[in-house]
Formats: sequence, C-alpha cells, structure tokens
Amino acid sequence: GAVVSQHPSWVICKSGTSVKIECRSLDFQATTMFWYRQFPKQSLMLMATSNEGSKATYEQGVEKDKFLINHASLTLSTLTVTSAHPEDSSFYICSAKRAFFQETQYFGPGTRLLVL
Amino acid sequence: KQEVTQIPAALSVPEGENLVLNCSFTDSAIYNLQWFRQDPGKGLTSLLLIQSSQREQTSGRLNASLDKSSGRSTLYIAASQPGDSATYLCAVRRFIYNQGGKLIFGQGTELSVKP
Repeated sequence: GAVVSQHPSWVICKSGTSVKIECRSLDFQATTMFWYRQFPKQSLMLMATSNEGSKATYEQGVEKDKFLINHASLTLSTLTVTSAHPEDSSFYICSAKRAFFQETQYFGPGTRLLVL
Repeated sequence: KQEVTQIPAALSVPEGENLVLNCSFTDSAIYNLQWFRQDPGKGLTSLLLIQSSQREQTSGRLNASLDKSSGRSTLYIAASQPGDSATYLCAVRRFIYNQGGKLIFGQGTELSVKP
C-alpha cells in the first residue's frame, strides 16, 4: 500500500518561532498533496492543496503568508508555520495522491504542534 | 456551501451490539462519499468509498449506504468489538476542475465499545 509519513510527529515551540513540518510519500510519487488542520474533537479542515511544481491553493480564511507550503518534489511537501502563536496549536495532517484526478488519498499520521 | 454533519457526536455501546452512524450533507452534488476511521492522535484510515451512482458498499462487518437525493449516508457496524473503538469520519468529495477532488469532512462520531 501507499505510505505517507510526517516529521516530526510532535513539536513544542515558543511563541514567535517558525516550525517546519515535512510530509513524504514513501513509496509513490504524489502529484497532489493536501494539508489539513484538526482541533480537538473537531473535523479536519482543509488548509491548502498543492500540486508539484506550482503554488499552493489556499482555502478561504487561511493566511498564505503564515502557513507557507512548498511542494518542490513529487515525494515531499513542507508546511512552515511562521511566527507561531498559541492559537496555532493543533494537529496537522497531510494527505497525498498519485494523480490529479485520482480519488484515493493517502493520509499521514499527523503532527501535533504545541506553541507555548 | 457544502456542510457535513455527523450524528451522534459520541456513542458508547457494549461489545456485540450492531450500531449505525449517521452522516448528512447539504449539497447533493457530490462526486462520492467516504468513511474513515481515526484512532486517537493518529491519521486517517479509509474504510469505505461509495461513488455517487452507488447505493452501498460492504467490507467485512461494515456496510455503508448512500442516499444522495436526501443527502444522507449511514455506516452500519455489525457485532461491534472493543477494537472498533475510534472516531469515525464521513467525508464527501466535490470535484473542482483545477484542484481535482476536494474532501469535506464531518466532525466525526467518537465510538467506544465496552468489553
């Protein structure tokens, strides 16, 4: 099966610092990757969609300058939370799929971010 | 705007019971609907995917139905086991030309199966 990994699995940082989260497709090439955010007891909210080699498409209400997404290769996408604040504390999950029109999305295990 | 609602938010049952989880969506123009399982602090595992033209899908003790016209889906779990304890998420997929499929999730039903 297709495996998606995330690193780190959890991170604690001070307010004002930047944090980078990596998402890798381990055994397939991912044309499209998605980043989601999940608050406790709540649903997954799509933050942005990125296609390899092009700029990410952000959902309404998501600050593109605060959540920088880079999808530089077919196996790696990164999410950088810039100048993190306590309200950015959340569970961040990435997802990847092989082809633009393919339905099947493979989800990573998530990254827990705590901003102090 | 598509909204997905899951009822109940939490459910606790004794082992062996058959149970039904409900999902409703406001816009019937969906591409397909998918049920996922999420264990605490973990990512998502896909359980069943129902295309918009289908009425149901089955996998083992799981059966999912779809009534697109009424905007409803149910996930039926037969003979529940403690290992079924998890949060179950329903998601509908819209097709957006320049983004491919986009999943919109419900808030989930947290299931606890007691031994």
